[in-house]
Amino acid sequence: RKEVEQDPGPFNVPEGATVAFNCTYSNSASQSFFWYRQDCRKEPKLLMSVYSSGNEDGRFTAQLNRASQYISLLIRDSKLSDSATYLCVVNRPHRDNTDKLIFGTGTRLQVFP
Amino acid sequence: ETGVTQTPRHLVMGMTNKKSLKCEQHLGHNAMYWYKQSAKKPLELMFVYSLEERVENNSVPSRFSPECPNSSHLFLHLHTLQPEDSALYLCASSQTPPGWTDTQYFGPGTRLTVL
Repeated sequence: RKEVEQDPGPFNVPEGATVAFNCTYSNSASQSFFWYRQDCRKEPKLLMSVYSSGNEDGRFTAQLNRASQYISLLIRDSKLSDSATYLCVVNRPHRDNTDKLIFGTGTRLQVFP
Repeated sequence: ETGVTQTPRHLVMGMTNKKSLKCEQHLGHNAMYWYKQSAKKPLELMFVYSLEERVENNSVPSRFSPECPNSSHLFLHLHTLQPEDSALYLCASSQTPPGWTDTQYFGPGTRLTVL
């Protein structure tokens, strides 16, 4: 089983739609979760961290389900500029506090007019 | 944004060449990373430097040789590469080691093609 698993998509949605991505992780000891966004041929950029209680930033909502070991990202009122690949990132805990970030392969979103 | 810069942005090299990738961070961070991103594969962590000391070498072939002369600069020296090493090489930095789950800030990457 992959350490971090995402549906590669693409998700093709019209402007204004609501779209949700899920990501599953295999290490139950993971404590830190993030969504990064990567535009075509650009570097990944942090979109938002994911907190246990869930968090919202404008049109974006992230949630964590520890029992089922998945995180989700909900995008409301999709804009053309939301078209990108969304990377799920989870920490792999290690002794001596030397965790690593493990990246998923990403879910591609294409918003059309 | 100019927080993390990388040069060159594109590089084409033959298998017998020697070249170096450069990364510079202007964020005052203490940890720097090299990642490899190949098509349809997740980012692969290659090396981690914390306070200029290498703390992670992720089973990377010796044809890749990192160097961190100070906390702001990171190099990746390349020699006798193979075509399968063609990929996007991303540098990143984060604020406070130890504990690598701080937000990482990425440079724009160097797109490397090995002929």
